[in-house]
Amino acid sequence: KAGVTQTPRYLIKTRGQQVTLSCSPISGHRSVSWYQQTPGQGLQFLFEYFSETQRNKGNFPGRFSGRQFSNSRSEMNVSTLELGDSALYLCASSLAYRNTEAFFGQGTRLTVV
Amino acid sequence: GDSVTQMEGPVTLSEEAFLTINCTYTATGYPSLFWYVQYPGEGLQLLLKATKADDKGSNKGFEATYRKETTSFHLEKGSVQVSDSAVYFCALSDPGSNYQLIWGAGTKLIIKP
Repeated sequence: KAGVTQTPRYLIKTRGQQVTLSCSPISGHRSVSWYQQTPGQGLQFLFEYFSETQRNKGNFPGRFSGRQFSNSRSEMNVSTLELGDSALYLCASSLAYRNTEAFFGQGTRLTVV
Repeated sequence: GDSVTQMEGPVTLSEEAFLTINCTYTATGYPSLFWYVQYPGEGLQLLLKATKADDKGSNKGFEATYRKETTSFHLEKGSVQVSDSAVYFCALSDPGSNYQLIWGAGTKLIIKP
């Protein structure tokens, strides 16, 4: 059974640009959550999607957005990139909404220059 | 709000030493508790979990017991190996926080041969 797949693994973008990250959950999993990991702030919850609807949202500005498709794949978008957006972005999948067991992908390392 | 506090690292031990990484939590509800491990350059892997008081989670020689009276979930291993070197994260999932994972800051473990 394939795990959670995140693409791309690495990205370098310029301030002001926008970026889209992709996450394919484990087959059969319907919930996808996104997290930002930085050395200063640690792991912070961005949002959770289930059945193509955002169910829960962390404390991030509106520049951070996401969506989920009918096949449960998810994308997150960050617009008007800032240097502080440089981070490891992790996607996690669960069987269902509010399921307590999350399986993580390897992450996308975003560097904003 | 909910929070997780972990002992600061790095923790440096010799191979075959006994390991304890302390984790305490505050929660408004009755949370599930987790330990995740992150190897260099990788995403997060679920190491073990416990969903109710006095439950003991165990995996790969690691153990942690859900102690409601002391709001703790300390990670232990009787004999560590060099391959255990990684960052360990304690986390909780609480109905009162809509089940989003709340993370500790992580503890870096270094095992010397």
